[in-house]
Amino acid sequence: QVRLQQSGPGLVQPSQTLSLTCAISGDSVSSSSASWNWFRQSPSGGFQWLGKTYYRSKWFHESAISVKGRITINPDTSQNQLSLQLNSVTPEDTAVYYCARLRGSGIIDNWGQGTLVTVSS
Amino acid sequence: DIMMTQSPLSLPVTPGEPASISCRASQSLLLSSGDNCLHWYLQKPGQSPQLLIYLGSNRASGVPDRFSGSESGTDFTLKISRVEAEDVGLYYCMQGLQTPYTFGQGTNLEIK
Repeated sequence: QVRLQQSGPGLVQPSQTLSLTCAISGDSVSSSSASWNWFRQSPSGGFQWLGKTYYRSKWFHESAISVKGRITINPDTSQNQLSLQLNSVTPEDTAVYYCARLRGSGIIDNWGQGTLVTVSS
Repeated sequence: DIMMTQSPLSLPVTPGEPASISCRASQSLLLSSGDNCLHWYLQKPGQSPQLLIYLGSNRASGVPDRFSGSESGTDFTLKISRVEAEDVGLYYCMQGLQTPYTFGQGTNLEIK
């Protein structure tokens, strides 16, 4: 049974860096049949895909154009987890952040518990 | 980006009655396999989303058979044959064909 356990601060100051971690159990971040993604849900309920990392003989990374240049998603094979860093945050980055496992055809079959991150001074 | 348009946004339903949610994609979601890369999720209050239907019409493991998905071109429908109290929450369609993965706006199903 796959479990994704998120951790990280719930309050970040404007212009600082948002950092979250997603610990994976029941699967490997190096799995050749999954990708590991970050999404966020705005206060109004809309979902936005932020980016992903996956291993297919080498590591690949993709991110949404809207956050490109500010986002880093890193796998940590020693801890079997992935991380999210989002730089230069503003109040518009306030959201619930989710890590998620995607299988073939973009099917999200496992979600983390979600982390509410508020950007405020 | 592929735009997903969902309706209605609010859906009050009497228990035991049917319910239907529509989702339209701005372009084809067809895979070479003939499946549509369209999935449905339910987010119950205070929880993470859970997979209901994948590839347009396949129920995920453990999903009751009162839930069904259908497709016609770029139009997709989620139907609940008889709504139960535990079905309340936000329903989202999502396309998994290409990044950025995109979602419908969500439909808030509530019990009358």
